Amino acid sequence: EVQLVESGGGLVQPGGSLRLSCAASGFTFSSYWMSWVRQAPGKGLEWVANIKQDGSEKYYVDSVKGRFTISRDNAKNSLYLQMNSLRAEDTAVYYCARRRCSSTSCFYDYWGQGTLVTVSS
Amino acid sequence: QSALTQPASVSGSPGQSITISCTGTSSDVGGYNYVSWYQQHPGKAPKLMIYDVSNRPSGVSNRFSGSKSGNTASLTISGLQAEDEADYYCSSYTSSSTFEVFGGGTKLTVL
Repeated sequence: EVQLVESGGGLVQPGGSLRLSCAASGFTFSSYWMSWVRQAPGKGLEWVANIKQDGSEKYYVDSVKGRFTISRDNAKNSLYLQMNSLRAEDTAVYYCARRRCSSTSCFYDYWGQGTLVTVSS
Repeated sequence: QSALTQPASVSGSPGQSITISCTGTSSDVGGYNYVSWYQQHPGKAPKLMIYDVSNRPSGVSNRFSGSKSGNTASLTISGLQAEDEADYYCSSYTSSSTFEVFGGGTKLTVL
């Protein structure tokens, strides 16, 4: 059974840092792109970042470029999101998602339960 | 403002059919067969319902179907059931710098 379990969320002051983790199990982690998607309170989903299977390619939404870093450790079946210079607008539930690619497109076929990040003084 | 436009809400009675639209541009929905749909119940993680515009993952009811015409993708739910009441989001690849985008979401109410 595929499982994605996020951790590391919490309350942080503006300008602070936080590192999110996602523990994956039930599939060959190193074979998949992985992603972070966030959802601000009462708002819709927003794609945040993607990382290729071997970590050689990374993509970010414009609003987090230069502040967030996605990474992975295939030996530990783990995905990470290092978040620096946090802003109030980064407050959201952060989901780890497995990104599966068919011959035509890519999509998120499994999601974690999410971890809440609150940026406030 | 989301890159993909969805109606804020739709509603229908049990047994009826409803359609949720997702409108983008030739840089996203219209340019690629890269549309997926997600269902999200309150306080829960999203669930993949449709991928590659019209394909259903294993385990998703065949009451859910997807299609696309030009720059607009659609999710149709037939034989509405109370359990279908949820938020629905479309997603697409985009050739803009954002890489991937979601719609703003549609709240489905089963009357």
